[in-house]
Amino acid sequence: KAGVTQTPRYLIKTRGQQVTLSCSPISGHRSVSWYQQTPGQGLQFLFEYFSETQRNKGNFPGRFSGRQFSNSRSEMNVSTLELGDSALYLCASSLDTYNEQFFGPGTRLTVL
Amino acid sequence: QQQVKQSPQSLIVQKGGISIINCAYENTAFDYFPWYQQFPGKGPALLIAIRPDVSEKKEGRFTISFNKSAKQFSLHIMDSQPGDSATYFCAASSLSSGSARQLTFGSGTQLTVLP
Repeated sequence: KAGVTQTPRYLIKTRGQQVTLSCSPISGHRSVSWYQQTPGQGLQFLFEYFSETQRNKGNFPGRFSGRQFSNSRSEMNVSTLELGDSALYLCASSLDTYNEQFFGPGTRLTVL
Repeated sequence: QQQVKQSPQSLIVQKGGISIINCAYENTAFDYFPWYQQFPGKGPALLIAIRPDVSEKKEGRFTISFNKSAKQFSLHIMDSQPGDSATYFCAASSLSSGSARQLTFGSGTQLTVLP
């Protein structure tokens, strides 16, 4: 069974631009969560989607948004990029609420 | 209230030794405590997890010890191997509050096992 895939793996943007990251969960998984990982703040929860609905949201500004499609694939968008948005963005999928989360390899975003 | 404190920040052990990583939490609503292992360039992978209704859980060389009254839990890696060298994260979430997937992570421990 294929794991969680994230595209692109690496991305370089400049301040003020916007970016869209994509996550394909494991087949059959309906829950997709996004996390930001930085050396300073560690791993922080962004949001979770289940059956196309956002169920939980972390403490991030409104510039961070996401969505989930009917096939469970998810995208996250960051608008008006700031230098501090440079991070590894991780996507995790799970069968449902109470099952193990499987993480993808992440997208490394660098904002110049 | 949401914080999970993890120590030590880094740990060096000899091959065959025991690695111990500790975490403490404040939010009494947390009822799910997983440990993740992360290698460079990879996403975190679940090692082992525990619910507060048990005080210890063992899977192979990995053991979680849980102290509900002290709000602390720890990971023990027995017979540590060089292949265990990675960053380890503890985490917590509340299955009962509808925030099961909202993991709060510790700051991580970089483990190095010397051959």
